[in-house]
Amino acid sequence: DTAVSQTPKYLVTQMGNDKSIKCEQNLGHDTMYWYKQDSKKFLKIMFSYNNKELIINETVPNRFSPKSPDKAHLNLHINSLELGDSAVYFCASSQGEGDGYGYTFGSGTRLTVV
Amino acid sequence: GQNIDQPTEMTATEGAIVQINCTYQTSGFNGLFWYQQHAGEAPTFLSYNVLDGLEEKGRFSSFLSRSKGYSYLLLKELQMKDSASYLCAGSGGSYIPTFGRGTSLIVHP
Repeated sequence: DTAVSQTPKYLVTQMGNDKSIKCEQNLGHDTMYWYKQDSKKFLKIMFSYNNKELIINETVPNRFSPKSPDKAHLNLHINSLELGDSAVYFCASSQGEGDGYGYTFGSGTRLTVV
Repeated sequence: GQNIDQPTEMTATEGAIVQINCTYQTSGFNGLFWYQQHAGEAPTFLSYNVLDGLEEKGRFSSFLSRSKGYSYLLLKELQMKDSASYLCAGSGGSYIPTFGRGTSLIVHP
């Protein structure tokens, strides 16, 4: 069983479209995250949810909206996609709110906006 | 604010020892993570240091000096499968790690 699973693995779409990426974890962790890894390999935090509640929202355009229906799921919806949104998006989870707890990452979603 | 600095690329020979350095400037510093990321895959957790000193886990060890804002990851008995990117990440006041751009390690025969 995959601990943190994301779908889809690859996503190619046109500018202006709306798309969603789904994430599920079966580890019983309380906290989930979305990270963006750009072409220069920087991993940047986008959002953090603890028990379905948003606790971190970094400077991310409001075209990005996370949704957590329960603590095992954290989906990412992106409106009006732009070329600059092309990146690999990683979902992750941890037992606590990050400090001292290793994150378990999903396998990533490679988003290409054309 | 957070600032993580690590070399972009390193090369080493199979069987050798390599040390990957990381310097950080993190407000409200809590601890320092190291992650391994193979090309096209997810990062995987290697270590988390809170106290000064060296922590050993098999072939991998991680060192932290809080006063110097410095850490290193030591890899012994290098294997070809150790070719990967190694990400240093500092944990600050928000407890969310800030990642460096990673060091790409190439192990050759």
